[in-house]
Amino acid sequence: GQQVMQIPQYQHVQEGEDFTTYCNSSTTLSNIQWYKQRPGGHPVFLIQLVKSGEVKKQKRLTFQFGEAKKNSSLHITATQTTDVGTYFCAADTGRRALTFGSGTRLQVQP
Amino acid sequence: EAEVAQSPRYKITEKSQAVAFWCDPISGHATLYWYRQILGQGPELLVQFQDESVVDDSQLPKDRFSAERLKGVDSTLKIQPAELGDSAMYLCASSSSEKLFFGSGTQLSVL
Repeated sequence: GQQVMQIPQYQHVQEGEDFTTYCNSSTTLSNIQWYKQRPGGHPVFLIQLVKSGEVKKQKRLTFQFGEAKKNSSLHITATQTTDVGTYFCAADTGRRALTFGSGTRLQVQP
Repeated sequence: EAEVAQSPRYKITEKSQAVAFWCDPISGHATLYWYRQILGQGPELLVQFQDESVVDDSQLPKDRFSAERLKGVDSTLKIQPAELGDSAMYLCASSSSEKLFFGSGTQLSVL
């Protein structure tokens, strides 16, 4: 079945440092979505990438979709304490509901 | 802003007991999902509804889990009997397109 791997599992950074999480799918995707889950909260939609090689930015967050539509990344520039949480990619093959990755937990030291 | 409503927020039960969770999706959202999230992992799909019909329940342990969405609006997920390994967060989500809106979840502890 569909497998979605995310690395790293956990990252601890100093405030102001950059952060990147990577997502890899075993199959070609129709699109990929990213969600953020704050501690004690529920996943909240961040963005959807559809096109091969697509790059989207949301303030300090940059999302990329690989040329082969099998991998994606989320990069945060100059992290802030409000960025704390777990970031999940969610793979859409177009055939069934989203498959979520295992997530990357980000801790930001003030 | 409209939200997905779930209750109860927390549920503690003993193994072999029955438990039920309720979800009211955002009005107008035809698609409803139940996901299970174990601590430290990503959400895993249990069941997907399109209106009142089950679209995908391939990952639902049907010997003990059941889900229904009788009128195509709110939904109930039931576990009977509960087992220790069922302890997890049960998340309901709804969508009208591809983006999912999650409820706050029900945290289940089976003792």
